Amino acid sequence: GAVVSQHPSRVICKSGTSVKIECRSLDFQATTMFWYRQFPKQSLMLMATSNEGSKATYEQGVEKDKFLINHASLTLSTLTVTSAHPEDSSFYICSAWGFSSYNEQFFGPGTRLTVL
Amino acid sequence: QQQVKQSPQSLIVQKGGISIINCAYENTAFDYFPWYQQFPGKGPALLIAIRPDVSEKKEGRFTISFNKSAKQFSLHIMDSQPGDSATYFCAAGSKNRDDKIIFGKGTRLHILP
Repeated sequence: GAVVSQHPSRVICKSGTSVKIECRSLDFQATTMFWYRQFPKQSLMLMATSNEGSKATYEQGVEKDKFLINHASLTLSTLTVTSAHPEDSSFYICSAWGFSSYNEQFFGPGTRLTVL
Repeated sequence: QQQVKQSPQSLIVQKGGISIINCAYENTAFDYFPWYQQFPGKGPALLIAIRPDVSEKKEGRFTISFNKSAKQFSLHIMDSQPGDSATYFCAAGSKNRDDKIIFGKGTRLHILP
């Protein structure tokens, strides 16, 4: 299947700093990528839809000024958590549609963010 | 209309048994129904997916059964193994590749050795 990578896999930062997470589609182009957040023992919560060359679409309740998304190319989307606080600590996962016999949505390995 | 309801929340099955997880959806516009397997600390991995034009799809020990009229679909894991112990998520969405998919709340499956 299609491969989606994320970097970094883990990040620890101090409260008040900003953290950038990268999501790459390695063997296909993705005009649309999705960013999710997952708290322990919970399901994935869609945060925003990242569109190449245009503004991201945020889900209700997600602060667009806090979670900045940039989809500058067909293979790269970035999520920047600005002025991170401990409550932003979570598992962040991106996904993208890839080609196969059906169109399938593939997920990255996730980024564990810990804000001290 | 956007919900996907998944049950049970947790499931314990003996090795070699059949694990069954059920999901129900509301939006009749959904036409893509994937199942994901997630191990702790890892991203979800696509396990198997089905489109509503078929009632069943089998890949190895994993089978999706789909009932369009009831708006329900289920995952069956045959000959369950300890390595199958993970969290399973059903999801639903549309074949439009730019559309989001909606996840169920997940089922934590534990296979007893």
